[in-house]
Amino acid sequence: GAVVSQHPSWVICKSGTSVKIECRSLDFQATTMFWYRQFPKQSLMLMATSNEGSKATYEQGVEKDKFLINHASLTLSTLTVTSAHPEDSSFYICSATLDSSNQPQHFGDGTRLSIL
Amino acid sequence: RKEVEQDPGPFNVPEGATVAFNCTYSNSASQSFFWYRQDCRKEPKLLMSVYSSGNEDGRFTAQLNRASQYISLLIRDSKLSDSATYLCVVNARYSSASKIIFGSGTRLSIRP
Repeated sequence: GAVVSQHPSWVICKSGTSVKIECRSLDFQATTMFWYRQFPKQSLMLMATSNEGSKATYEQGVEKDKFLINHASLTLSTLTVTSAHPEDSSFYICSATLDSSNQPQHFGDGTRLSIL
Repeated sequence: RKEVEQDPGPFNVPEGATVAFNCTYSNSASQSFFWYRQDCRKEPKLLMSVYSSGNEDGRFTAQLNRASQYISLLIRDSKLSDSATYLCVVNARYSSASKIIFGSGTRLSIRP
């Protein structure tokens, strides 16, 4: 089945640090990748939709200058949390799909981000 | 009204029981439907797609009712390992694009 790899799986860093998270589709070309955030005991919240070669589409309330997304190839999208603060601590999950219409999404393992 | 709604539960049932939950969606032009399961502190994993004619995968049966705009998931002979949060996912079609929408999940706990 489709495999999506996310790295790193766990990050602990000081406030003010920028953190980059990578999402790779290992055995298929993902035209669309999604970035989610999930706080404890809450549902997934879509942050942005990333299409290869174009600018990401951010959901309302998500700061594009804070959460930089780059989808440079059909197998790699990155999310950079710039100048992270404790309130950015969360579980960040990416997913990828062959196309955005009828195919299911395949999720990476997630990145647990803790900002001290 | 939320675009995709699920009963948050928790559903607490004994091992071996049959349990079912529904998910309603508001966009009648929705195209595709999925059930995912998410274990605590893990990423969601695709459980099954939901087809118009209904489909079965082992102990799991998914059904779609377009007229009433809901999908359902039935789990027979439940196992302890079925304890998880079940997420309903709908691909909703709007005038210019489609949008994938997650329900907030239904928590299921199977007790020995």
